[in-house]
Parts: sequence; C-alpha cells; structure tokens
Amino acid sequence: KAGVTQTPRYLIKTRGQQVTLSCSPISGHRSVSWYQQTPGQGLQFLFEYFSETQRNKGNFPGRFSGRQFSNSRSEMNVSTLELGDSALYLCASSLELGKAGGRTDTQYFGPGTRLTVL
Amino acid sequence: GQNIDQPTEMTATEGAIVQINCTYQTSGFNGLFWYQQHAGEAPTFLSYNVLDGLEEKGRFSSFLSRSKGYSYLLLKELQMKDSASYLCAVRVVAMFSGGYNKLIFGAGTRLAVHP
Repeated sequence: KAGVTQTPRYLIKTRGQQVTLSCSPISGHRSVSWYQQTPGQGLQFLFEYFSETQRNKGNFPGRFSGRQFSNSRSEMNVSTLELGDSALYLCASSLELGKAGGRTDTQYFGPGTRLTVL
Repeated sequence: GQNIDQPTEMTATEGAIVQINCTYQTSGFNGLFWYQQHAGEAPTFLSYNVLDGLEEKGRFSSFLSRSKGYSYLLLKELQMKDSASYLCAVRVVAMFSGGYNKLIFGAGTRLAVHP
C-alpha cells in the first residue's frame, strides 16, 4: 500500500507570495491533518479535514487555509507569505480521526514539504 | 491550556536501555502516541496507549499513567539507527470543535546513540 505523498518536496518563495501544498493520503484514509514543524516550536497542528469538511483548526492566522477533495486528497494554501512561515509542512492521514478513539486514529505522515521564504 | 513536556536531548550507549519521559497537562485526554523522526524524514508511528500500563512491541515499550499525566518510551538493546527524535503526542477531544479528536505534540526528545 502506498504511503502518504506530498508535493512539492521543496519550495522557495519570497515574502508576500502565496503557496499551495498538496497531500495524497493512504488509500482508504479519509482524515487528513496538516502540521507545521519548526525547530523552535515542534509540530504545530494546523487543521484536519474529513469528507471535505474542516473539523478542527489550530491557532494559526487566516492566511493559512486548506481544503479536501472528494477523493480525500487535500491542499493547504498560505497567502501573503512571511519569513516566519519557513518550516516543514507535514500532512498525516488516518482512517478516521473521529470521536471514538482507538487505533483507527493512528496518523501516518508524509515526507513533508520544506518551504523556505526569502 | 494544553502542555506536553519532554527532555530536549538524551545520549546513550549502543546496547544499553534508555527511557524517554513525557508529562502532559491536557483536558479531554483520549490517548497517547509515540513517534520516531529521523533527521529530514517524516515521523513514523511507534506506539499507542489509552489505558494505564505497559505496551510492548519488540525492543520498544511504552507506559502510561493517566492519573499522573505521565508516559515513557523504553528502548532496549539500543542500536545506532535509533538515533532520532522521539515525539510524544496526546490525543485530546476538541470540545469546541464538535468533540472531534486532535493530536497535540511535544517538542520532541533528540536521542543520540554512541558506540
């Protein structure tokens, strides 16, 4: 079974630009979560999508947005890039990150997109 | 607020045993995960605890005490390839987001294994 894939792997942008990152979950997984990882802050939760609906959102400004398509693929967008947005953006998929808990909630991570803002 | 604490760095010798601790103060606790992350790579799932006690999986074991807000990851017979960051993540019920779960990660513990 193929793992979580993310494109592109590396991206260099300048301040003020916008960027779109893509994530394809493991086949059959319907929940997709996005995280930002920086050396100082660790893994910070951005948002989670399930069946094309955003169910959870972290404490990030509105410049960070996302969506999920009917095939469970997800994209996240960052507008008006700032230097502080330089980070590794990780996507994780699970069968169901729902209310019940249990091992079906286990998240499997993609390789990430390394974004550098100059 | 939600808070997860782990030591920043640890060192150990090949063949030895190391214990990485994680303490948490969270509301809506609904399980705890451990992930391994090698430099430049994605985190990979190691273990999951939702009830008190020890879960063993080969050279890796994880323990949870919900009353103490405490977990540890035990790595036995250390190998050089175990040099990595170890992330403790707590699953919480997001009460203000329809009661759905989300994961909160600690900053990670960087383990260096020496010959």
